[in-house]
Amino acid sequence: GQQLNQSPQSMFIQEGEDVSMNCTSSSIFNTWLWYKQDPGEGPVLLIALYKAGELTSNGRLTAQFGITRKDSFLNISASIPSDVGIYFCAGRNSGAGSYQLTFGKGTKLSVIP
Amino acid sequence: SAVISQKPSRDICQRGTSLTIQCQVDSQVTMMFWYRQQPGQSLTLIATANQGSEATYESGFVIDKFPISRPNLTFSTLTVSNMSPEDSSIYLCSTRSGGNEQYFGPGTRLTVT
Repeated sequence: GQQLNQSPQSMFIQEGEDVSMNCTSSSIFNTWLWYKQDPGEGPVLLIALYKAGELTSNGRLTAQFGITRKDSFLNISASIPSDVGIYFCAGRNSGAGSYQLTFGKGTKLSVIP
Repeated sequence: SAVISQKPSRDICQRGTSLTIQCQVDSQVTMMFWYRQQPGQSLTLIATANQGSEATYESGFVIDKFPISRPNLTFSTLTVSNMSPEDSSIYLCSTRSGGNEQYFGPGTRLTVT
């Protein structure tokens, strides 16, 4: 089955620093989604990507759909304490007739004030 | 985007009992999904619930253990049957809205003692 490798698993950064995390897949996706999950909450959709090479921003967040369609990255600029949480990437290959999302294992972000 | 609510938000249940989790969406949607998130883990799809037909279960999940109802286009239930401590997880309802974006409810945190 499809596998997503998400890295890093966790990171501690100083407030104001930029953050980068990425996901790589063993197979091709035609949709990449990035979510943030706060403790005790459900995942909240941050950015959706639909085309290879697409670069999309949402405030201080920027995500890119890799050219090979097997990877994606998420950048957070000028981190603030409320950026703390777990970030998940998720991919889908609906061309294979499946609507199933495959999730990465998450990147736990801690921001030191 | 879709607004999804779940009830209960959390519960503590005895081994051997069953719990039914309700999911309500603020708009009509074709597909609803149920996920499980075990402590410290990523999200795993349990089943896809389509209105008017039986749910489609993923490998490792069976209808007898996780019966699902989908009586209309805005509502679904998931029952966790004959619970054991291994069923302690967060159970998340999800739906697709519009294009390929997928949204999640706040989750139901289940503890089985």
